[in-house]
Amino acid sequence: SQQGEEDPQALSIQEGENATMNCSYKTSINNLQWYRQNSGRGLVHLILIRSNEREKHSGRLRVTLDTSKKSSSLLITASRAADTASYFCATPTGNQFYFGTGTSLTVIP
Amino acid sequence: GAGVSQSPRYKVAKRGQDVALRCDPISGHVSLFWYQQALGQGPEFLTYFQNEAQLDKSGLPSDRFFAERPEGSVSTLKIQRTQQEDSAVYLCASSLTAGTKNEQFFGPGTRLTVL
Repeated sequence: SQQGEEDPQALSIQEGENATMNCSYKTSINNLQWYRQNSGRGLVHLILIRSNEREKHSGRLRVTLDTSKKSSSLLITASRAADTASYFCATPTGNQFYFGTGTSLTVIP
Repeated sequence: GAGVSQSPRYKVAKRGQDVALRCDPISGHVSLFWYQQALGQGPEFLTYFQNEAQLDKSGLPSDRFFAERPEGSVSTLKIQRTQQEDSAVYLCASSLTAGTKNEQFFGPGTRLTVL
């Protein structure tokens, strides 16, 4: 079973709106990573947040991490049609990364 | 090349056949991971290499699955006597340093279909 779980499973928004997706995990981590996957393609790394960080920004992306609640959120601001993809959080345990089932984001032009 | 490459991109096998999937990581990357991704699911960890050493193979679903990275660069995932439940996308990822402290760079995957 996978320890990282994203919600919602699916999200549909209009272009220009913000999209927020959440990730919950079970064990202690030293970092948490978010990835994007376009249909039929490999995963692309978006952002890494370390356990001693609470918030991180990269362009239109904002990630928060709450280690006390074992949760993270990814905010995409001013969404574009090109942001349509599946988004996964990845949490490391030992030498393994655990991925959730992902949030499928559709941005309608 | 600049990124992680995998070959073949698509593989169709008859049940019972053996297959070999190749991963070329980014040059100099210490860590290499293999994942299995079923349709509509997230990647599931299969195995981890630190250079040529296979440090974790706990995710391999059965003894029909075997992975190697003999010179610490290219890796091969071999599946013997393929079964229909092996149909999935197999992803390879590499990372500059050992362990899971940094980002992974993924290849495009190999889509395996077992008939």
